[in-house]
Amino acid sequence: DIQMTQSPSSLSASVGDRVTITCQASQDIRNYLNWYQQKPGKAPKLLIYDASNLETGVPSRFSGSGSGTDFSFTISSLQPEDFATYYCQQYNNLFTFGPGTKVDIK
Amino acid sequence: QVQLQESGPGLVKPSQTLSLACTVSGASISSGDYYWNWIRQSPGKGLEWIGYLYYGGNTFYNPSLKNRISISVDTSGNHFSLMLISVTAADTAVYYCASRRVDSSGIDAFDIWGQGTMVIVSS
Repeated sequence: DIQMTQSPSSLSASVGDRVTITCQASQDIRNYLNWYQQKPGKAPKLLIYDASNLETGVPSRFSGSGSGTDFSFTISSLQPEDFATYYCQQYNNLFTFGPGTKVDIK
Repeated sequence: QVQLQESGPGLVKPSQTLSLACTVSGASISSGDYYWNWIRQSPGKGLEWIGYLYYGGNTFYNPSLKNRISISVDTSGNHFSLMLISVTAADTAVYYCASRRVDSSGIDAFDIWGQGTMVIVSS
């Protein structure tokens, strides 16, 4: 099984801040990684696919990078609607999600 | 615009069978454009992929649940279903159905999700 870890597990930030989340896979997953945003009581929403590709309609302040085992997700300028929990998910071998990173207001 | 909607009982007794349905609108389940998935989310285990159904009724399940789950399709009603047998408290979760889009652009992701349905396993 491929295990996914994320850090930090939570962070506090202000509107306008640059926020970076990292995701690590327990083995090489090439670029087979997606990022999702989840708000309380809602389903996850796809933001980034294939490690660095922005899903249609997603603002360009979101970006992703990485390959192999180490990945990062960045919000270049945090907006009020971005306070949420973010998950990475690998699809190299079956499908596993990271434990999530909660972004809340400082 | 593809939309998914889960339905089913919110309370199941231990050792019984959990049955949920996902109604699809805006796409045909039998078209082959999507893989149709079940995913659950619990405080203890986070997000966990359960399995998928694909064109022609082909299925693939999470090995950790394989012996207890079954995903089937009703093409006439354009919905697919999940059955999970012998449930325990560990199966308490929000259950989502989701479409997985795979195409030549390189995408392979759960792009459309239902709103989720909470299932509690308790006597």
